[in-house]
Amino acid sequence: EAGVAQSPRYKIIEKRQSVAFWCNPISGHATLYWYQQILGQGPKLLIQFQNNGVVDDSQLPKDRFSAERLKGVDSTLKIQPAKLEDSAVYLCASSSSNYGYTFGSGTRLTVV
Amino acid sequence: RKEVEQDPGPFNVPEGATVAFNCTYSNSASQSFFWYRQDCRKEPKLLMSVYSSGNEDGRFTAQLNRASQYISLLIRDSKLSDSATYLCVVNQGGKLIFGQGTELSVKP
Repeated sequence: EAGVAQSPRYKIIEKRQSVAFWCNPISGHATLYWYQQILGQGPKLLIQFQNNGVVDDSQLPKDRFSAERLKGVDSTLKIQPAKLEDSAVYLCASSSSNYGYTFGSGTRLTVV
Repeated sequence: RKEVEQDPGPFNVPEGATVAFNCTYSNSASQSFFWYRQDCRKEPKLLMSVYSSGNEDGRFTAQLNRASQYISLLIRDSKLSDSATYLCVVNQGGKLIFGQGTELSVKP
């Protein structure tokens, strides 16, 4: 089966600019997650969707981050305006149960 | 206190060595437990699930002690290809909580 697709792979922006990341989960996976992984740390959950509804966004910095999953398939994560500390890898994952996660390759964001 | 804490690394070991990683978690209601492996500049990938009875997959053995909220991973006869970051992961209500990872470097 095809994996989780993410784009772009890399992005460099200046602080205060905006950026968007895209994720296409595995077909049929109802649950989609966005994680932020800062260099030297483990991934941190930003937001969890079940179909097109938000299950958990408690760690999403809502003043600058937003995410949507229209139609319960693809998802976008946006940052506006970006800060230097947002430099990280943004990982999308999908699952069809509590036990089966698949991660995408991630988008590496550098804010300068 | 972090939800999932791992041994700080890095671990530098020679080929053939046995290496053990330790992990503790804070939420006793955690439901399931895993070890993930992450290669440099790659996404995390599931290495193995961890069960209370202990489980083994080739050179890898994982143990869970729910009473102590402690998880371990043992790698025997380590290979150069085992060099990676090992992430301890806990499932809480369907979301995965990751430790900070422990880097392993296996040298010839």
